[in-house]
Amino acid sequence: AQRVTQPEKLLSVFKGAPVELKCNYSYSGSPELFWYVQYSRQRLQLLLRHISRESIKGFTADLNKGETSFHLKKPFAQEEDSAMYYCALGKHSGNTPLVFGKGTRLSVIA
Amino acid sequence: NAGVTQTPKFQVLKTGQSMTLQCAQDMNHNSMYWYRQDPGMGLRLIYYSASEGTTDKGEVPNGYNVSRLNKREFSLRLESAAPSQTSVYFCASRGAGGNTEAFFGQGTRLTVV
Repeated sequence: AQRVTQPEKLLSVFKGAPVELKCNYSYSGSPELFWYVQYSRQRLQLLLRHISRESIKGFTADLNKGETSFHLKKPFAQEEDSAMYYCALGKHSGNTPLVFGKGTRLSVIA
Repeated sequence: NAGVTQTPKFQVLKTGQSMTLQCAQDMNHNSMYWYRQDPGMGLRLIYYSASEGTTDKGEVPNGYNVSRLNKREFSLRLESAAPSQTSVYFCASRGAGGNTEAFFGQGTRLTVV
């Protein structure tokens, strides 16, 4: 069965400090991994997908199949990064539902 | 391009009342989903439709029904609302192929009193 674990419910960091939001997954097949962000009372929007290997808003995430992890990182946190972050896992087919972790609330303190 | 549109944005129901949440997407996606979002629980899948004419239960389907009216529209019905169904409901759609993202509606904040 597919499962996504985000161990931290809340992560507080100071502005300018590095950020790492952890995500571990459980899936026997070839995973598709995504990070979604939800700003206060807004819809979820895609931040990153593992296949793209790009940096969005300074965030990066690397898929580590050996550790079954897809941690989200940013070297210098900004106040506008404060939001809810969800890691999501899909099967390699496109028509199946994404399975979401419970989310981590990032709070960046000025 | 509106993406995924949900109505209503807010709703208050009394226990036992019924209502239907509407969702429409204009991206020609085959797959559509209903999730509920609760504090500390993340997003949990209620029902999904992999294509027009098919629906399947997700993780938490009890108390809900769905209808895939056509390729664009996927509605969620609460026949007899209960306080445990107080939540924020999100509709989403996803295209075919690998590594495609899911697009979300703006959510419906439902309170059952």
